[in-house]
Amino acid sequence: AQSVTQPDIHITVSEGASLELRCNYSYGATPYLFWYVQSPGQGLQLLLKYFSGDTLVQGIKGFEAEFKRSQSSFNLRKPSVHWSDAAEYFCAVGAPRTGFQKLVFGTGTRLLVSP
Amino acid sequence: GAVVSQHPSRVICKSGTSVKIECRSLDFQATTMFWYRQFPKQSLMLMATSNEGSKATYEQGVEKDKFLINHASLTLSTLTVTSAHPEDSSFYICSALGGQGSAFFGQGTRLTVV
Repeated sequence: AQSVTQPDIHITVSEGASLELRCNYSYGATPYLFWYVQSPGQGLQLLLKYFSGDTLVQGIKGFEAEFKRSQSSFNLRKPSVHWSDAAEYFCAVGAPRTGFQKLVFGTGTRLLVSP
Repeated sequence: GAVVSQHPSRVICKSGTSVKIECRSLDFQATTMFWYRQFPKQSLMLMATSNEGSKATYEQGVEKDKFLINHASLTLSTLTVTSAHPEDSSFYICSALGGQGSAFFGQGTRLTVV
């Protein structure tokens, strides 16, 4: 069964600084990978996804993520963080064999943005 | 992008009563919807897959008689928490399967059972 690990529970970044949120997955083959953002009391918004092809994926709001098979990682990055980026970020994995929309989520990383 | 609306956003109910949560895809048809539960400071756990016109498929450990799911149309799935207890208090989120392999999430429902 697939699993996802987000090792950082909280991260604080200064506004304008760069950001990298870590995500490691466990799956026997190449999974489908997703990053979602959740604002307080809100549902989840898809930032980006990786299915196949180019391992560097561009998403909305200036985010990107890179799939590294050798490291089983799918880290999320943004070159310059804005105060509005403060939220909870979830990495998720879907297994093509079992229907990739049945997502398994990591425990999330809460991003705090300092002035 | 596709919009999924979940109602209500917050609900408080007494122990022993039932609560219905609605999940609607507003601008697309969704034959498949998913229900998740999120505990405080934890991740989302898939509860069940809701298929239009057929019975829902529940994940292991989820009581189907307690969490009733109905997907009567291509734009609406409902989750009813029956005989709610305080331990059922949680954040419930639905998602609807859209085109290009993406799942679109509702804004969630905060259920508090007192």
